[in-house]
Amino acid sequence: EVQLVESGGVLVQPGRSMKLSCAASGFTFSSFPMAWVRQAPTKGLEWVATISTSGGSTYYRDSVKGRFTISRDNAKSTLYLQMDSLRSEDTATYYCTTAGYPNWFAYWGQGTLVTVSS
Amino acid sequence: DIQMTQSPASLSASLGETISIECRASEDIYSNLAWYQQKSGKSPQLLIYAANRLQDGVPSRFSGSGSGTQYSLKISGMQPEDEGDYFCLQGSKFPWTFGGGTKLELK
Repeated sequence: EVQLVESGGVLVQPGRSMKLSCAASGFTFSSFPMAWVRQAPTKGLEWVATISTSGGSTYYRDSVKGRFTISRDNAKSTLYLQMDSLRSEDTATYYCTTAGYPNWFAYWGQGTLVTVSS
Repeated sequence: DIQMTQSPASLSASLGETISIECRASEDIYSNLAWYQQKSGKSPQLLIYAANRLQDGVPSRFSGSGSGTQYSLKISGMQPEDEGDYFCLQGSKFPWTFGGGTKLELK
């Protein structure tokens, strides 16, 4: 059974940093591109970043480019999202998801809530 | 960026009714479109990918169609468990973009 378990979401002050993790199991992690998708409270879904199978290629939405870094450790079957210079508009539940073509986002974690507030 | 315009924003359907949700892309996305269902407090679930391919385990009453810039999701026979929010996604070009969502309720 495919499992994606996010962790690391907390309350953090604007301008600070935090790192999310996503532990994967039940599939060959190294064979799948992966992504982070977020959802602000009572809002819709928003793609954040995608990383290739090797980690050699990464893609970001403009609003997080230069502040967020997606990475992966295939040996540990773990996906990461380093978030720097956090803003209030980054407040959301962050989901880890598989991004294989063509059935993007076929598997999702339960999400982890990041709250950016002073 | 490719804009995804989803309609309607909300919909109320009777048990057994057939409903459709539409997504219009601001440019051709070459069938690189997926549909997701999200129930209250839960993670989204993939229903349809590549515009018309049913994800494993999804009931056959769900179907997708469309090409170019116009796509639709059809539910043939509304069931109570189909209540929730529905989103389309274009994966043709970065940044990948979602539609604004459709809230589906049972009448």
